[in-house]
Amino acid sequence: DIVMTQSPDSLAVSLGERATINCKASQNVLYSSNNKNYISWYQKKPGQPPKLLIYWASTRESGVPDRFSGSGSGTDFTLTITSLQPEDVAIYFCQHYYTTPPTFGQGTKVEIK
Amino acid sequence: QVQLVQSGAEVKKPGASVKVSCKASGDTFTPYTIHWVRQAPGQRLEWLGWINGDNGQTRYSQKFQGRVSITKDTSANTVYMELRRLISQDTAVYYCATSGWVFHYFENWGQGTLVSVSS
Repeated sequence: DIVMTQSPDSLAVSLGERATINCKASQNVLYSSNNKNYISWYQKKPGQPPKLLIYWASTRESGVPDRFSGSGSGTDFTLTITSLQPEDVAIYFCQHYYTTPPTFGQGTKVEIK
Repeated sequence: QVQLVQSGAEVKKPGASVKVSCKASGDTFTPYTIHWVRQAPGQRLEWLGWINGDNGQTRYSQKFQGRVSITKDTSANTVYMELRRLISQDTAVYYCATSGWVFHYFENWGQGTLVSVSS
């Protein structure tokens, strides 16, 4: 199974500042035939199900604010929240869907400093 | 967009089985693959398996092979996940979620069902 490792486990960012979350896959998740990275990102708040933010490593889901962006390729990926808002306090997960089983990172908790 | 509503919380004893339902509204399951994912306390999200909403094909995580079954009732627009021979480590919130047929990122999620396993 592909192991997804996120860093840091938690971070505190001032309102309006940038939050950067990293995700590393234990093997390549870039499929050469379509040049797509099989990575998605989710936001999870207490008592709610996860919410899809990003897929194909950098494609924003409909309705997701443009302060959320994804980047990276191969094994190393980043979720960036520019200008952190109070409603962004949550746990963020990466997930690969390159092979079965799909697996998730351990999560990064984002708080307000 | 499909909305998913899951059945309510369950309390089970070790060795028992649990069956959780996931009902779709706003669309049928046909265009989707329906997955089951769980999150145990303090653990990361964990995928259990999927069912193709059109042809009923299933695939399960090797970890749960033989203990989990995912089925669908097309007339009821409902998918079910049954987990057998429960142990305390199966205590978790169980989610159903949809993806496309081919690319399995999870677009829509049910609200979650807490399954507690305790003697």
